[in-house]
Amino acid sequence: GAVVSQHPSWVICKSGTSVKIECRSLDFQATTMFWYRQFPKQSLMLMATSNEGSKATYEQGVEKDKFLINHASLTLSTLTVTSAHPEDSSFYICSARDFGASGSPLHFGNGTRLTVT
Amino acid sequence: RKEVEQDPGPFNVPEGATVAFNCTYSNSASQSFFWYRQDCRKEPKLLMSVYSSGNEDGRFTAQLNRASQYISLLIRDSKLSDSATYLCVAVRNAGNMLTFGGGTRLMVKP
Repeated sequence: GAVVSQHPSWVICKSGTSVKIECRSLDFQATTMFWYRQFPKQSLMLMATSNEGSKATYEQGVEKDKFLINHASLTLSTLTVTSAHPEDSSFYICSARDFGASGSPLHFGNGTRLTVT
Repeated sequence: RKEVEQDPGPFNVPEGATVAFNCTYSNSASQSFFWYRQDCRKEPKLLMSVYSSGNEDGRFTAQLNRASQYISLLIRDSKLSDSATYLCVAVRNAGNMLTFGGGTRLMVKP
């Protein structure tokens, strides 16, 4: 079945540094990928929709200059958290659908746990 | 009002119990629906799709009621391993818009 790979699984970084998270669709092409963030004991919150070959669409309240999204190919989207601060510590999850398969559900990467010290 | 709403729970049930969750959606343009399971500190995993005709997978049964705009998940003979958060998802706009409910937490106790 469709698989989405996300890397790294966890990262600890110092305040002010940038962190890049990769999301790959392994056996299907994903023209659209979704980036979510989840704080402890809270629900998934969509941050942005990543579109191959065009600009990402950000949800209200998400700073596009802070969370840079690049979807350079049909199988790879990256999220860069720039100048990370402790309040950015969270669980970041990417997901994608195989739009070539009718009724295909959303498949998630295994998430990236970011801790900013 | 949120587009997809769920009772956050927690639902505390004994092993062997039957438990049901409902999820309501407000956008009638929603076309397809799914239930996901999320374990603590893990990514959501697909549990099952939801069809208008209803579908069953072992101890799990999902139903869709378009007229009332809700979907349900029934778990029979609960196991300890069923303890998790269950998320419903409504999909519209040819799959480009996916909205998650806040999740319902289930705790199955011995």
